[in-house]
Amino acid sequence: DIQMTQSPSSLSASVGDRVTITCRASQSISLYLNWYQQKPGKAPKLLMYVVSSLQSGVPSRFSGSGSGTEFTLTITSLQPEDFATYYCQQSYTTPYTFGQGTKLEI
Amino acid sequence: QVQLVESGGGVVQPGRSLRLSCAASGFTFSNHAMQWVRQAPGRGLEWVAVISDDGSSNYYADSVKGRFTISRDSAKNTVFLQMNSLRPEDTAMYYCARDPLRWGEKTGGLYNWFDPWGQGTLVTVSS
Repeated sequence: DIQMTQSPSSLSASVGDRVTITCRASQSISLYLNWYQQKPGKAPKLLMYVVSSLQSGVPSRFSGSGSGTEFTLTITSLQPEDFATYYCQQSYTTPYTFGQGTKLEI
Repeated sequence: QVQLVESGGGVVQPGRSLRLSCAASGFTFSNHAMQWVRQAPGRGLEWVAVISDDGSSNYYADSVKGRFTISRDSAKNTVFLQMNSLRPEDTAMYYCARDPLRWGEKTGGLYNWFDPWGQGTLVTVSS
């Protein structure tokens, strides 16, 4: 199975900050990388697919990059509603696998 | 609007069975593979199973293989997860999600992702 590793596991930031979350795959997954956002008590929501394509309704302060085994999610100018847990996911092959999550805290 | 609504969760003793349902609406159900993903309390997301658009292909995580069965009823626009021989480590919130593709098992090929997700149904396995 492909292992997905996110760093950091948690991150403290302030409104207006720029933050970057890294996701590494244990083998090349080309561009088969998605990001999800989950708020406490809620279901995950698709944030970005195929590395850098924003899901409808997602603000442009979110961006993604990478290919192969290393990927990043960047949020510029953090807003209060961005404080959540973020998961990367590889969709190259079943079994699909997620990173362990990055909790973004104020 | 596109909506997924899970049901069937509850408290069950180890070794017993439970069947989860996920009712879909707002899209052509028969055009999409469907996924189950779970999340143990305070933990991350774990993919569980996928079923193809026509139900002919399915694939499971090793942790549930041989115990869980995914199926679908296109007449009812519903996907099911039959969970047998439940263990305490199966305790989790179970989510269903739509896949933009039709396939079950895959390697490479077209890109896919999980969207939308249902609100989840909680399964607690405890004596």
